[in-house]
Amino acid sequence: QKEVEQDPGPLSVPEGAIVSLNCTYSNSAFQYFMWYRQYSRKGPELLMYTYSSGNKEDGRFTAQVDKSSKYISLFIRDSQPSDSATYLCAMSGGSSNTGKLIFGQGTTLQVKP
Amino acid sequence: DTAVSQTPKYLVTQMGNDKSIKCEQNLGHDTMYWYKQDSKKFLKIMFSYNNKELIINETVPNRFSPKSPDKAHLNLHINSLELGDSAVYFCASSNFVGESPLHFGNGTRLTVT
Repeated sequence: QKEVEQDPGPLSVPEGAIVSLNCTYSNSAFQYFMWYRQYSRKGPELLMYTYSSGNKEDGRFTAQVDKSSKYISLFIRDSQPSDSATYLCAMSGGSSNTGKLIFGQGTTLQVKP
Repeated sequence: DTAVSQTPKYLVTQMGNDKSIKCEQNLGHDTMYWYKQDSKKFLKIMFSYNNKELIINETVPNRFSPKSPDKAHLNLHINSLELGDSAVYFCASSNFVGESPLHFGNGTRLTVT
């Protein structure tokens, strides 16, 4: 079993839809949770960064962390064609936190005009 | 100004050759990383350096040797290239070891024929 599980999709939605992306994880020591967006032929860019449980909102994006369920989510409101990309969850933490990020496989999202 | 820059962007070479990938960051970060992304977009850490000191060395063949001449540069040298080394290699940096998120370059697409 992988430490971080993420449905690779692809996920296709119409423009304006609400998108929900999710990851589950097995290591209860994880404390830092991130979402990255990766366009084709580009490097991952940081979208959201949260510590421990709770919600964080930034414009059309909301990140949720539920440590009791070992489950994190990213919601995209009013999705746009420019949101079409691969979304990667990542996490780190633990007593010997070396900054090593464990990534999910990524979910490919297509937003159709 | 590109924050994390890698060269070359594309690298096509034959089995058995030796090649290097260079990375530079102008963010003033202390920590730099090499990640490998396979054909299924799965990102996995290879190495990290903090202020020129090796912090993380995952289970990577010793044909791969990172070198950090200063904290703004982290190069990756690969000896005796194999077909299975074909992947996209990403350099990244973070403010310090531990909880800070990573900033990625745009990757070097290595193809071994």
